[in-house]
Amino acid sequence: RKEVEQDPGPFNVPEGATVAFNCTYSNSASQSFFWYRQDCRKEPKLLMSVYSSGNEDGRFTAQLNRASQYISLLIRDSKLSDSATYLCVVTPYNFNKFYFGSGTKLNVKP
Amino acid sequence: DTAVSQTPKYLVTQMGNDKSIKCEQNLGHDTMYWYKQDSKKFLKIMFSYNNKELIINETVPNRFSPKSPDKAHLNLHINSLELGDSAVYFCASSQMAGASYEQYFGPGTRLTVT
Repeated sequence: RKEVEQDPGPFNVPEGATVAFNCTYSNSASQSFFWYRQDCRKEPKLLMSVYSSGNEDGRFTAQLNRASQYISLLIRDSKLSDSATYLCVVTPYNFNKFYFGSGTKLNVKP
Repeated sequence: DTAVSQTPKYLVTQMGNDKSIKCEQNLGHDTMYWYKQDSKKFLKIMFSYNNKELIINETVPNRFSPKSPDKAHLNLHINSLELGDSAVYFCASSQMAGASYEQYFGPGTRLTVT
């Protein structure tokens, strides 16, 4: 079983829509969680960290569900510029390791 | 100024050749990484160095050898290239080793082995 799994999508949504992705992880001892964004043929960039209590940054909300071992990313009022692949990152108890999901592709259409 | 730079951006070579990819960061970070992203977009960590010391060495063929001459540079040398080595290789850096530090990625090196 993979350490981190994501639905590859694509999620095709109209501008202004609300869309949510989940990312499941296999190691219950995982400690830190992140969402990165990767544009086509570009490098990944940090979107936001995921805190235990959940956190929000503008139109983006990240949540952690330890009981069910998944993290989620909610995007409200989607913009065309939100079109990208969203990668979740999970780190286990050994902080030096990072496991990336294979990403969920989002297409926001006019 | 580019924070994390890699050269070359594109690399096309034949099977059996030896090639190197260079990475430099000007962020003053202590930790650097090499990742491989395959055709399925799966990004997998290969190596990590902290202050020139190897701290992560994942299951990677020993044809791949990283080298960190100083903490601002982490190069990747690949011997006897194989078709399966074709991928995008990303270098990254973070302030320190550890999960809570944001990683800054370079633009990637697209390696094609023919």
